[in-house]
Amino acid sequence: NAGVTQTPKFQVLKTGQSMTLQCAQDMNHEYMSWYRQDPGMGLRLIHYSVGAGITDQGEVPNGYNVSRSTTEDFPLRLLSAAPSQTSVYFCASSQPDETDTQYFGPGTRLTVL
Amino acid sequence: GQQLNQSPQSMFIQEGEDVSMNCTSSSIFNTWLWYKQDPGEGPVLLIALYKAGELTSNGRLTAQFGITRKDSFLNISASIPSDVGIYFCAGQTFYGGSQGNLIFGKGTKLSVKP
Repeated sequence: NAGVTQTPKFQVLKTGQSMTLQCAQDMNHEYMSWYRQDPGMGLRLIHYSVGAGITDQGEVPNGYNVSRSTTEDFPLRLLSAAPSQTSVYFCASSQPDETDTQYFGPGTRLTVL
Repeated sequence: GQQLNQSPQSMFIQEGEDVSMNCTSSSIFNTWLWYKQDPGEGPVLLIALYKAGELTSNGRLTAQFGITRKDSFLNISASIPSDVGIYFCAGQTFYGGSQGNLIFGKGTKLSVKP
């Protein structure tokens, strides 16, 4: 089991560029989520999904899109990157009734210039 | 929205000392969780608390779910250098019988001097 994997580990973008952060899990978890972590801010929920084909917004969804076409993958898209999106992004997964035991990926450190 | 106040923001202690940190909220939570994050890694669950008043230990770590369901603390006894990291509390509520998303505190950064 690889658990939750994220790619890339590091990324630098220019303002206005688009990119997709990849997240995959091999534990057959239905629940997946994306967080961003900023200094002194803890983790804030961006989007989440309770199963394939179902997504919903979290606390800070603006500027991000997600889709969930398979159970395994939950990509996060930045359509037009802004410096305010410079952050560390974490993907997590769990079973829907066990969201208290989320498994986190290693993170993607994104810098937008 | 719901917010968690975690304190202290940072601690710098001597190896062997005990550590205490806590989280408070104006909202009631059904579950309290404590995570540790090592540099360059994602958070890892340390302890989960499910009942008001519950006291749970995991090795040198002890955590309690406050009676009011609005607070929780984490104690680390006899700290060692590998305890260094950022500790997060997280709360969770139930909506219509389903588990809600996690709300995270802002973290306590622990540094241990050998």
